[in-house]
Amino acid sequence: DTAVSQTPKYLVTQMGNDKSIKCEQNLGHDTMYWYKQDSKKFLKIMFSYNNKELIINETVPNRFSPKSPDKAHLNLHINSLELGDSAVYFCASSQDPPSVRPWETQYFGPGTRLLVL
Amino acid sequence: RKEVEQDPGPFNVPEGATVAFNCTYSNSASQSFFWYRQDCRKEPKLLMSVYSSGNEDGRFTAQLNRASQYISLLIRDSKLSDSATYLCVVNMGNTGGFKTIFGAGTRLFVKA
Repeated sequence: DTAVSQTPKYLVTQMGNDKSIKCEQNLGHDTMYWYKQDSKKFLKIMFSYNNKELIINETVPNRFSPKSPDKAHLNLHINSLELGDSAVYFCASSQDPPSVRPWETQYFGPGTRLLVL
Repeated sequence: RKEVEQDPGPFNVPEGATVAFNCTYSNSASQSFFWYRQDCRKEPKLLMSVYSSGNEDGRFTAQLNRASQYISLLIRDSKLSDSATYLCVVNMGNTGGFKTIFGAGTRLFVKA
């Protein structure tokens, strides 16, 4: 069974479009994250949710809007896609956030490769 | 200065070699430290946590030096399957909250 799953795996779209990426975890975790890994392989946190509440919101354009309908799901909607949004987006989860349990392991999904043309 | 810095490599070593990676972090209030491994076109996975006393897991040894804000990973008897990117990861708090910072990774190629 896949612990953290993301759909779609690949996403190719035109500039200006709106797209969504979905993430689901079946680990029973309370905390979920979105990370962006750019072409230089830097993995940077974008958002973190704990029990459906936003706890980390990094300096991300407001074209990016996360939504957590329940603890097992954290979706990412991106409006007006730009060339610079091309990257791999990873969803992750942990039982608790680092502020509560600093030694928690984060479990990552397989990533969504977004290419904006 | 980057919050977490690593030598990007690549490190090219023969099978059986011992190789060491280093990582420095900027925030002295950092709470916890890890090494994650990322294979090409795959997601990162936890390799090991790094404790103040140092810890070992088979061929892998991790060390933490809080005074120097420095973390290391030693791999002994390298295998072909060790070829991957090794990510230094630090949980640190700041005015914006507590967050996980990844280094850019060190690439390792183990050749036969």
